[in-house]
Amino acid sequence: NAGVTQTPKFQVLKTGQSMTLQCAQDMNHNSMYWYRQDPGMGLRLIYYSASEGTTDKGEVPNGYNVSRLNKREFSLRLESAAPSQTSVYFCASSGASGTDTQYFGPGTRLTVL
Amino acid sequence: GESVGLHLPTLSVQEGDNSIINCAYSNSASDYFIWYKQESGKGPQFIIDIRSNMDKRQGQRVTVLLNKTVKHLSLQIAATQPGDSAVYFCAENPPGGAQKLVFGQGTRLTINP
Repeated sequence: NAGVTQTPKFQVLKTGQSMTLQCAQDMNHNSMYWYRQDPGMGLRLIYYSASEGTTDKGEVPNGYNVSRLNKREFSLRLESAAPSQTSVYFCASSGASGTDTQYFGPGTRLTVL
Repeated sequence: GESVGLHLPTLSVQEGDNSIINCAYSNSASDYFIWYKQESGKGPQFIIDIRSNMDKRQGQRVTVLLNKTVKHLSLQIAATQPGDSAVYFCAENPPGGAQKLVFGQGTRLTINP
């Protein structure tokens, strides 16, 4: 099992460009999440999907959109990138229970110039 | 003004010693708590968790203590090894059904030979 995979690993964008970060999990998990991690800080929740077909905002959703394509895949889109979105983005997945462990992907390091 | 996030708390211990990492959480109604380990360039890795109806839980070389009175969480690592060097995050799950983790700032643990 690969667990949680993310593509790309690195990306550099210019201000105003758009891009989509891809995430997939092979653990048959119902819930998936997108976080961002700024230097020297903990992770902050951007969006989450409790189950296929549903998405909800987290702590810092502004400037992002998400799509739960199917049970395996959860994508994060930046429509018009800004330097403030320079960060490392992590995808995670878990079972449906509120106490199920979240498993994280390796991250995408995004720089917006 | 100073960016607190750039000044990650640090802890240095000698190899073989025990280490204790502390965390203050914010929501007295949070019902689930997790410790994650993050090595450089990787995603967070689950270490141990504890539910709010417990005050202590032990794993392999790790123990988590929960003090709900003062909203404090600690992670004890016994007989530290070089591979324990990493940043450690606590996370709390506020009530409300879906797992919307709130992460602490993190502590960098360095093991000295």
